[in-house]
Amino acid sequence: QQQVKQSPQSLIVQKGGISIINCAYENTAFDYFPWYQQFPGKGPALLIAIRPDVSEKKEGRFTISFNKSAKQFSLHIMDSQPGDSATYFCAASMSNDMRFGAGTRLTVKP
Amino acid sequence: DVKVTQSSRYLVKRTGEKVFLECVQDMDHENMFWYRQDPGLGLRLIYFSYDVKMKEKGDIPEGYSVSREKKERFSLILESASTNQTSMYLCASSLIQRGYTFGSGTRLTVV
Repeated sequence: QQQVKQSPQSLIVQKGGISIINCAYENTAFDYFPWYQQFPGKGPALLIAIRPDVSEKKEGRFTISFNKSAKQFSLHIMDSQPGDSATYFCAASMSNDMRFGAGTRLTVKP
Repeated sequence: DVKVTQSSRYLVKRTGEKVFLECVQDMDHENMFWYRQDPGLGLRLIYFSYDVKMKEKGDIPEGYSVSREKKERFSLILESASTNQTSMYLCASSLIQRGYTFGSGTRLTVV
Protein backbone atom coordinates (compact mmCIF):
# COMPACT_ATOMS: atom_id res chain seq x y z
CA GLN A 1 0.00 0.00 0.00
CA GLN A 2 1.14 3.52 -0.70
CA GLN A 3 2.26 5.06 2.57
CA VAL A 4 3.05 8.47 1.09
CA LYS A 5 0.59 10.05 -1.31
CA GLN A 6 1.86 12.88 -3.51
CA SER A 7 -0.05 15.34 -5.67
CA PRO A 8 -0.27 16.62 -8.30
CA GLN A 9 1.26 14.14 -10.71
CA SER A 10 2.30 16.99 -12.98
CA LEU A 11 2.43 20.74 -12.62
CA ILE A 12 3.00 23.58 -15.06
CA VAL A 13 3.94 26.98 -13.66
CA GLN A 14 4.95 30.24 -15.28
CA LYS A 15 8.38 31.66 -14.58
CA GLY A 16 8.28 33.70 -11.40
CA GLY A 17 5.27 31.85 -10.04
CA ILE A 18 4.94 29.65 -6.96
CA SER A 19 5.05 25.88 -7.34
CA ILE A 20 3.31 23.85 -4.64
CA ILE A 21 3.54 20.09 -4.27
CA ASN A 22 1.66 18.27 -1.55
CA CYS A 23 2.22 15.02 0.30
CA ALA A 24 0.28 13.10 2.91
CA TYR A 25 1.40 10.19 5.04
CA GLU A 26 -0.30 7.58 7.19
CA ASN A 27 2.25 6.33 9.68
CA THR A 28 2.74 8.65 12.64
CA ALA A 29 6.06 6.93 13.40
CA PHE A 30 7.68 8.70 10.45
CA ASP A 31 10.12 11.28 11.81
CA TYR A 32 12.10 12.54 8.84
CA PHE A 33 10.60 14.08 5.71
CA PRO A 34 12.94 14.82 2.80
CA TRP A 35 12.27 16.12 -0.68
CA TYR A 36 14.28 14.97 -3.67
CA GLN A 37 14.79 16.66 -7.03
CA GLN A 38 15.51 14.59 -10.12
CA PHE A 39 16.61 15.91 -13.50
CA PRO A 40 16.30 13.73 -16.62
CA GLY A 41 19.07 11.15 -16.82
CA LYS A 42 20.13 11.71 -13.22
CA GLY A 43 19.39 10.09 -9.92
CA PRO A 44 17.28 11.95 -7.32
CA ALA A 45 19.22 14.42 -5.18
CA LEU A 46 18.30 15.53 -1.68
CA LEU A 47 16.83 19.03 -1.88
CA ILE A 48 15.56 19.87 1.60
CA ALA A 49 14.32 17.94 4.62
CA ILE A 50 12.36 18.56 7.80
CA ARG A 51 11.72 16.83 11.09
CA PRO A 52 8.25 16.95 12.71
CA ASP A 53 9.29 19.17 15.61
CA VAL A 54 9.16 22.24 13.34
CA SER A 55 6.37 23.51 11.11
CA GLU A 56 8.45 25.13 8.42
CA LYS A 57 11.93 25.02 6.95
CA LYS A 58 13.26 27.39 4.34
CA GLU A 59 16.35 27.11 2.17
CA GLY A 60 16.62 29.81 -0.44
CA ARG A 61 13.56 29.64 -2.70
CA PHE A 62 12.51 26.23 -1.32
CA THR A 63 10.26 25.90 1.73
CA ILE A 64 8.77 22.85 3.41
CA SER A 65 5.55 23.40 5.34
CA PHE A 66 4.69 20.64 7.79
CA ASN A 67 1.33 19.98 9.46
CA LYS A 68 1.78 17.19 11.98
CA SER A 69 -1.87 16.98 13.05
CA ALA A 70 -3.05 16.64 9.45
CA LYS A 71 -0.13 14.34 8.55
CA GLN A 72 0.63 16.50 5.55
CA PHE A 73 3.63 18.37 4.24
CA SER A 74 4.28 20.42 1.17
CA LEU A 75 7.08 21.89 -0.90
CA HIS A 76 6.82 25.49 -2.04
CA ILE A 77 9.14 26.82 -4.72
CA MET A 78 9.07 30.59 -4.80
CA ASP A 79 9.97 32.57 -7.93
CA SER A 80 10.01 29.35 -9.96
CA GLN A 81 12.61 29.24 -12.74
CA PRO A 82 12.89 27.11 -15.90
CA GLY A 83 15.92 25.48 -14.30
CA ASP A 84 13.60 24.13 -11.57
CA SER A 85 11.89 21.93 -14.17
CA ALA A 86 12.40 18.43 -12.82
CA THR A 87 10.61 15.61 -11.05
CA TYR A 88 10.16 16.07 -7.32
CA PHE A 89 9.68 13.26 -4.83
CA CYS A 90 8.56 13.61 -1.25
CA ALA A 91 9.50 10.91 1.24
CA ALA A 92 8.86 9.91 4.82
CA SER A 93 11.25 7.93 6.95
CA MET A 94 11.57 6.22 10.29
CA SER A 95 14.84 4.61 11.31
CA ASN A 96 16.08 3.14 8.01
CA ASP A 97 12.69 2.70 6.38
CA MET A 98 12.06 5.45 3.80
CA ARG A 99 8.89 5.60 1.70
CA PHE A 100 8.62 7.73 -1.42
CA GLY A 101 5.73 9.48 -3.06
CA ALA A 102 5.00 8.76 -6.72
CA GLY A 103 6.63 11.99 -7.91
CA THR A 104 5.54 15.29 -9.47
CA ARG A 105 6.83 16.41 -12.83
CA LEU A 106 7.25 20.19 -12.66
CA THR A 107 7.54 22.27 -15.80
CA VAL A 108 8.33 25.96 -15.44
CA LYS A 109 7.53 27.87 -18.62
CA PRO A 110 9.66 30.89 -19.54
CA ASP B 1 33.11 14.80 -4.14
CA VAL B 2 31.31 11.88 -2.51
CA LYS B 3 29.27 9.74 -4.78
CA VAL B 4 27.39 6.58 -5.60
CA THR B 5 28.54 5.05 -8.86
CA GLN B 6 26.49 2.66 -10.94
CA SER B 7 28.59 0.75 -13.43
CA SER B 8 26.33 1.09 -16.46
CA ARG B 9 24.06 3.92 -17.64
CA TYR B 10 22.31 1.82 -20.28
CA LEU B 11 21.99 -1.93 -20.69
CA VAL B 12 20.15 -4.06 -23.22
CA LYS B 13 19.75 -7.72 -22.33
CA ARG B 14 17.85 -10.66 -23.75
CA THR B 15 15.03 -12.46 -21.99
CA GLY B 16 16.40 -15.23 -19.79
CA GLU B 17 19.86 -13.72 -19.37
CA LYS B 18 21.40 -13.32 -15.92
CA VAL B 19 22.03 -9.62 -15.35
CA PHE B 20 24.35 -7.96 -12.84
CA LEU B 21 23.95 -4.32 -11.84
CA GLU B 22 26.84 -2.97 -9.81
CA CYS B 23 26.85 -0.10 -7.34
CA VAL B 24 29.79 1.36 -5.43
CA GLN B 25 29.76 4.14 -2.82
CA ASP B 26 32.75 5.98 -1.43
CA MET B 27 31.13 7.48 1.68
CA ASP B 28 31.58 4.57 4.11
CA HIS B 29 27.79 4.36 4.46
CA GLU B 30 26.33 1.39 6.30
CA ASN B 31 23.09 1.31 4.36
CA MET B 32 22.62 0.58 0.70
CA PHE B 33 19.45 0.23 -1.36
CA TRP B 34 18.21 -0.82 -4.76
CA TYR B 35 15.09 0.79 -6.24
CA ARG B 36 13.37 0.60 -9.54
CA GLN B 37 11.69 3.67 -10.98
CA ASP B 38 8.74 3.43 -13.34
CA PRO B 39 6.51 6.26 -14.62
CA GLY B 40 3.59 6.89 -12.29
CA LEU B 41 4.85 4.39 -9.72
CA GLY B 42 7.66 6.40 -8.19
CA LEU B 43 10.50 4.61 -6.47
CA ARG B 44 9.90 1.04 -5.35
CA LEU B 45 12.33 -0.69 -3.02
CA ILE B 46 13.70 -4.00 -4.25
CA TYR B 47 16.33 -4.92 -1.64
CA PHE B 48 18.39 -3.19 0.99
CA SER B 49 21.37 -3.92 3.18
CA TYR B 50 22.43 -2.49 6.53
CA ASP B 51 25.78 -4.25 6.72
CA VAL B 52 28.20 -6.45 4.83
CA LYS B 53 26.72 -9.84 3.93
CA MET B 54 23.37 -8.68 5.23
CA LYS B 55 20.32 -8.23 2.99
CA GLU B 56 16.64 -7.63 3.44
CA LYS B 57 13.76 -7.84 0.98
CA GLY B 58 11.99 -4.65 0.05
CA ASP B 59 8.55 -4.30 -1.47
CA ILE B 60 9.19 -5.99 -4.82
CA PRO B 61 12.00 -8.57 -4.44
CA GLU B 62 10.56 -11.21 -6.76
CA GLY B 63 12.91 -12.02 -9.62
CA TYR B 64 15.85 -10.26 -7.99
CA SER B 65 18.66 -11.09 -5.61
CA VAL B 66 21.52 -9.05 -4.15
CA SER B 67 25.05 -9.44 -2.92
CA ARG B 68 27.05 -7.33 -0.49
CA GLU B 69 30.49 -8.82 0.04
CA LYS B 70 32.17 -5.49 0.80
CA LYS B 71 30.80 -2.42 2.56
CA GLU B 72 31.18 -0.19 -0.45
CA ARG B 73 29.64 -2.49 -3.06
CA PHE B 74 26.04 -3.64 -3.47
CA SER B 75 25.09 -5.71 -6.49
CA LEU B 76 21.63 -6.37 -7.87
CA ILE B 77 21.14 -9.62 -9.78
CA LEU B 78 18.33 -10.47 -12.15
CA GLU B 79 18.43 -14.25 -12.17
CA SER B 80 16.54 -14.62 -15.45
CA ALA B 81 15.68 -11.30 -17.02
CA SER B 82 12.13 -10.76 -18.23
CA THR B 83 10.57 -7.95 -20.25
CA ASN B 84 8.63 -6.70 -17.20
CA GLN B 85 11.97 -5.92 -15.58
CA THR B 86 12.65 -3.24 -18.16
CA SER B 87 13.04 -0.17 -15.96
CA MET B 88 15.34 2.46 -14.48
CA TYR B 89 17.30 1.00 -11.55
CA LEU B 90 18.61 3.30 -8.87
CA CYS B 91 21.13 2.50 -6.18
CA ALA B 92 21.34 4.62 -3.02
CA SER B 93 23.35 4.71 0.17
CA SER B 94 22.85 6.45 3.51
CA LEU B 95 23.89 6.82 7.08
CA ILE B 96 21.25 5.98 9.65
CA GLN B 97 18.39 8.49 9.60
CA ARG B 98 19.92 10.70 6.97
CA GLY B 99 19.00 11.51 3.42
CA TYR B 100 19.92 9.11 0.70
CA THR B 101 22.60 9.66 -1.92
CA PHE B 102 21.53 8.18 -5.23
CA GLY B 103 23.52 7.01 -8.20
CA SER B 104 22.69 8.23 -11.70
CA GLY B 105 20.73 5.11 -12.49
CA THR B 106 20.93 2.23 -14.95
CA ARG B 107 18.29 2.11 -17.65
CA LEU B 108 17.79 -1.58 -18.40
CA THR B 109 15.92 -2.80 -21.43
CA VAL B 110 15.07 -6.50 -21.67
CA VAL B 111 14.19 -7.64 -25.18
